[in-house]
Amino acid sequence: GIQVEQSPPDLILQEGANSTLRCNFSDSVNNLQWFHQNPWGQLINLFYIPSGTKQNGRLSATTVATERYSLLYISSSQTTDSGVYFCAGRKTSYDKVIFGPGTSLSVIP
Amino acid sequence: DTGVSQNPRHKITKRGQNVTFRCDPISEHNRLYWYRQTLGQGPEFLTYFQNEAQLEKSRLLSDRFSAERPKGSFSTLEIQRTEQGDSAMYLCASSFSGITDEQFFGPGTRLTVL
Repeated sequence: GIQVEQSPPDLILQEGANSTLRCNFSDSVNNLQWFHQNPWGQLINLFYIPSGTKQNGRLSATTVATERYSLLYISSSQTTDSGVYFCAGRKTSYDKVIFGPGTSLSVIP
Repeated sequence: DTGVSQNPRHKITKRGQNVTFRCDPISEHNRLYWYRQTLGQGPEFLTYFQNEAQLEKSRLLSDRFSAERPKGSFSTLEIQRTEQGDSAMYLCASSFSGITDEQFFGPGTRLTVL
């Protein structure tokens, strides 16, 4: 199965700072999602982005499918952005979804 | 329908007991997934259904684990003879196998085995 790496594993930001989180896949994926896990454990959908660029408010994501990586940008970070960010993908629509190990983000006032 | 629901939200049991969790997916979704998540790790795939059919099972799903989706709607995950190593968050997700197959997660069931 595919392997998923995320970097950095941990990140501490001052409120208002910008950051970039990276997700690398060992093989091509046709289904890639970014999630934010809040302190209560709920996984919240951020982006479904197998390729291209999407933006939603202060967040944006870019996936370069041919190079098997995706980036999540957080601008003007807020304390409510704290939590763990996961990327996940699957090779085909019938394969199991594999999650990365996550990036733990702490935004301090 | 506001999303994926899971019950119970928390379960404490003694080693050796059986436990059953329930997941109700988003109503128009035909796919349902179970994951297990331990502290500091990403969710690990356990199994998934398309309608009633169980299409894939992880080798993590030992003989003590079984999942069903009898009518293609809700699903149950049963763990028999629980062990302390089964303590984890059990997450359910659903999707529609259309163009995107985007998964949406429930709040999870946190299992503690004493």
